[in-house]
Amino acid sequence: GEDVEQSLFLSVREGDSSVINCTYTDSSSTYLYWYKQEPGAGLQLLTYIFSNMDMKQDQRLTVLLNKKDKHLSLRIADTQTGDSAIYFCAESIGTGRRALTFGSGTRLQVQP
Amino acid sequence: EPEVTQTPSHQVTQMGQEVILRCVPISNHLYFYWYRQILGQKVEFLVSFYNNEISEKSEIFDDQFSVERPDGSNFTLKIRSTKLEDSAMYFCASSRDMDEQFFGPGTRLTVL
Repeated sequence: GEDVEQSLFLSVREGDSSVINCTYTDSSSTYLYWYKQEPGAGLQLLTYIFSNMDMKQDQRLTVLLNKKDKHLSLRIADTQTGDSAIYFCAESIGTGRRALTFGSGTRLQVQP
Repeated sequence: EPEVTQTPSHQVTQMGQEVILRCVPISNHLYFYWYRQILGQKVEFLVSFYNNEISEKSEIFDDQFSVERPDGSNFTLKIRSTKLEDSAMYFCASSRDMDEQFFGPGTRLTVL
């Protein structure tokens, strides 16, 4: 079945890079997503990658996909205190299917 | 920037009562979704809706749940007879196509 796993917590200092990791089990994933959730707020789409890509960069965000190991990572360069939030990875599986399967979320704490 | 909106932000109801959660998706989007997040657990897919019918649903979406697009702008989730275990944050999302799903801020449902 589908399963998406993330580590629960990451603490970094302001200005450092953050790397949030995610593993998934289903090799037929089509899209993989990163969402950000701030306290009391909804899920904000940060970026996504199509499964035939290895890397995608969008300003301070870099997504790396290792299909062989079923591993996805989100790197945030020059992490700021405003980046403190919960980060969810999610996958959609198979053509024509749009349901997202989410990980449990990684809480990123940025120390000033 | 267009966004998904949801009302109410918080709904308190008695067990056995019917509730209707409302969403206004982004105006040019064609696909609509409901997800829920029980406190401390993962975000779970409930249902997707396209062209005025359900296109996919999860095991959670049983006969007590229904969705409707009553007019050109609203998308609703009805829970006919609420149970204590229906207490959760309910997120609506919409997408133009198979790629980016944009989420609303959520409705917190509390069943007493």
